[in-house]
Amino acid sequence: SYELIQPPSVSVSPGQTARITCSAVALANQYVYWYQQRPGQAPVLVIYKDTERSSGIPERFSGSRSGTTGTLTISGVQAEDEADYYCQSRDSSEDYVVFGGGTKLTAL
Amino acid sequence: QVQLQQWGAGLLKSSETLSLTCAVYGGSFSGYYWSWIRQPPGKGLEWIGEINFRGNTNYNPSLKSRVSMSIEWSKKQFSLKLTSVTAADTAVYYCARGEVGATPTYSDWFDPWGQGTLVTVSS
Repeated sequence: SYELIQPPSVSVSPGQTARITCSAVALANQYVYWYQQRPGQAPVLVIYKDTERSSGIPERFSGSRSGTTGTLTISGVQAEDEADYYCQSRDSSEDYVVFGGGTKLTAL
Repeated sequence: QVQLQQWGAGLLKSSETLSLTCAVYGGSFSGYYWSWIRQPPGKGLEWIGEINFRGNTNYNPSLKSRVSMSIEWSKKQFSLKLTSVTAADTAVYYCARGEVGATPTYSDWFDPWGQGTLVTVSS
């Protein structure tokens, strides 16, 4: 089965840059998408098609992909960015959606 | 601005059928896939499946035997049924709009999401 691998947690000091990775062999041929989920809230789309920022998302959020790894970068992390972040892609051969296990971002 | 509002029974017993409905306000109903995604307490997201405005469906292979989805055009609503539930189906269930990308037979990403409904299955 198809899995997206994310680190369970990332910690940075406020104002620093956080990078969250998402890896899978199939990402070489598929877009990666990123969602932010604050405690008790529904997920919100942050990045689509690897690099496109969703409407209303601050410019400090950016996405990239290199080979089989997608990366969500948050430049100048703020306290409000503390949340769980999930990557998502699609297994086109099976027509089903896959989410990564999620990464908890902590601003120390 | 599109908003999704969902509802359904929050407490079920094992072997019962889960039933949830999601209404779409303020946007087009056609041209999208309408999805269900769930999240067990303290865990990650799991895609359940999707249906488009023509009634075409895609389901997670791991749930396919128990899942059915339907759509009601006139009310701009779509629904989820999950049969023979167990404690493992306890989760917050979200509805979401799926954006169709280059391939029209499925959605690529999800935006926006409904508020979520906690469904608890007791034995």
